[in-house]
Amino acid sequence: AQTVTQSQPEMSVQEAETVTLSCTYDTSESDYYLFWYKQPPSRQMILVIRQEAYKQQNATENRFSVNFQKAAKSFSLKISDSQLGDAAMYFCAYRSANTGTASKLTFGTGTRLQVTL
Amino acid sequence: KAGVTQTPRYLIKTRGQQVTLSCSPISGHRSVSWYQQTPGQGLQFLFEYFSETQRNKGNFPGRFSGRQFSNSRSEMNVSTLELGDSALYLCASSMLRGWDSDEQYFGPGTRLTVT
Repeated sequence: AQTVTQSQPEMSVQEAETVTLSCTYDTSESDYYLFWYKQPPSRQMILVIRQEAYKQQNATENRFSVNFQKAAKSFSLKISDSQLGDAAMYFCAYRSANTGTASKLTFGTGTRLQVTL
Repeated sequence: KAGVTQTPRYLIKTRGQQVTLSCSPISGHRSVSWYQQTPGQGLQFLFEYFSETQRNKGNFPGRFSGRQFSNSRSEMNVSTLELGDSALYLCASSMLRGWDSDEQYFGPGTRLTVT
């Protein structure tokens, strides 16, 4: 079974600064997808960024980028120029590319990000 | 296009009762997945439905069940409620069944409290 580990329960960053959230995962599969989801206090889960395991290039979405190290099974999220609206719970998630289980997301325990002035 | 909707948003039930939660996916989405979120266990996959068929199931007891209708709307049912069933139940829909680059869109969740 796959597991996702987020070792930072809480992180804090000053507005306009950069912060990196860590995520490691364990899998025996070679083809899969990794995600970062944001869950603000409103509870609505929002997809921040997605990475396909077969792609070597790290994904980027505006101020959000990832550092994907497949051999190390590491998938960190970097938020640049942090904004107050970035304050939320961030979840790292894994999804298999196996069509039999491809719908299932396996989540980490989350990192609560605080953004201060 | 309207997002994923879940009803009710809040629910209070007593131990031993049963409850039904509803999820309406984004128009055109045929896959619906359910997740349970608790402080202790985090986010856990319950099951997934595609074209009215359960295609994937998480490790939950048989008290948790679901179904999907021909219009892709889905319901999940929990019978004989226990205190530990108190949780936020999230529904997610996607266009296809987890194919490449297929994104899952989440609803706002139903907060269930069992007393």
